[in-house]
Amino acid sequence: DAGITQSPRHKVTETGTPVTLRCHQTENHRYMYWYRQDPGHGLRLIHYSYGVKDTDKGEVSDGYSVSRSKTEDFLLTLESATSSQTSVYFCAISESPRQAPPLHFGNGTRLTVT
Amino acid sequence: SQELEQSPQSLIVQEGKNLTINCTSSKTLYGLYWYKQKYGEGLIFLMMLQKGGEEKSHEKITAKLDEKKQQSSLHITASQPSHAGIYLCGATPGNDYKLSFGAGTTVTVRA
Repeated sequence: DAGITQSPRHKVTETGTPVTLRCHQTENHRYMYWYRQDPGHGLRLIHYSYGVKDTDKGEVSDGYSVSRSKTEDFLLTLESATSSQTSVYFCAISESPRQAPPLHFGNGTRLTVT
Repeated sequence: SQELEQSPQSLIVQEGKNLTINCTSSKTLYGLYWYKQKYGEGLIFLMMLQKGGEEKSHEKITAKLDEKKQQSSLHITASQPSHAGIYLCGATPGNDYKLSFGAGTTVTVRA
């Protein structure tokens, strides 16, 4: 299995509080991604990174920010959590999307915003 | 962005029966991949298709990419309880790395 660790695995927080999710990889892959998974929507891309300090927005980036100061870590921050951000968040890494498998996934972080 | 539509949204199949899931793209697919997910767990890679007309099989699962590279199907032969889960198709766009996914198909296998 690809070395991807997401932390925390579960978190309950209150509306309006900041939350940071961490993705750590030991594979030295260039590309890292944050997705959220919701019933009926599948996986939707929030942000991705194509190198240290190089990030780009996905289709549902509003309300989220990311940072990648080291190859191995990709942080997802909810500046002020809202109930609509209750979801399961997956980190993924890729050496190249042209290879198989294109993405290796972490085990997810279940976030509940009350 | 690449929009992927999966059908059906969910299906229930009797153990031993076959099933097919479809994935249709609004744009030409440069790479199409299938993942499986068990509830509450991460995604497991099944297979990747890149060429029009390509077909790949692994155990009892076969995936095809049509010649026009805008539709893929995933076929499971003689389904077993281990085939239950959510199947997601994903696509590699031609010129960037924003990999996108369909909404998923939930498969239930009844004994």
